Amino acid sequence: DAGVIQSPRHEVTEMGQEVTLRCKPISGHNSLFWYRQTMMRGLELLIYFNNNVPIDDSGMPEDRFSAKMPNASFSTLKIQPSEPRDSAVYFCASRLQGGVTEAFFGQGTRLTVV
Amino acid sequence: TQLLEQSPQFLSIQEGENLTVYCNSSSVFSSLQWYRQEPGEGPVLLVTVVTGGEVKKLKRLTFQFGDARKDSSLHITAAQPGDTGLYLCAASSNSGYALNFGKGTSLLVTP
Repeated sequence: DAGVIQSPRHEVTEMGQEVTLRCKPISGHNSLFWYRQTMMRGLELLIYFNNNVPIDDSGMPEDRFSAKMPNASFSTLKIQPSEPRDSAVYFCASRLQGGVTEAFFGQGTRLTVV
Repeated sequence: TQLLEQSPQFLSIQEGENLTVYCNSSSVFSSLQWYRQEPGEGPVLLVTVVTGGEVKKLKRLTFQFGDARKDSSLHITAAQPGDTGLYLCAASSNSGYALNFGKGTSLLVTP
């Protein structure tokens, strides 16, 4: 398996534009997580899915953020409209559901909003 | 959300020195994980501890889970430049679904 695949690796966009980040989890994993990482706030959990169903989106900072998982092999995180303070590295991770299983991370998307 | 406090936030040492980093919470964990993250990459799992008082060794790395399962430590013996990275502790929520991380300890080992 190629691991968790995220695209794009880098995204530079202007304030006000829509941004869509994509994630392909490891085949067979039934839990998927979206995180945002900044120096100030560390690795923040935004939302997670279990069996394609959003379980908790309380970490999503604002209504400008939305996430979907239409099937077991694909998820998106959308920011509309984007703002400079959204600049961060966004990670997707997947694992088999359960407290002691390993979470596998993608390489992240570095988002810069100017 | 279980709040995980990691200390120190930054640590810069010379090759060959020993170090310990900590992960603490007021909550009781059913399990706790340590990850290491290198620049430009996602975190990678080092170890999972599940039993209070448990000690696990991974080469020069020793992980300890507190007896009350509220805290954990990572000790590195004779640090090497290859140990440089961000060390993160993580714990699952009581439901077992969410995985929350501490802010991490950024370690720099210089030759």
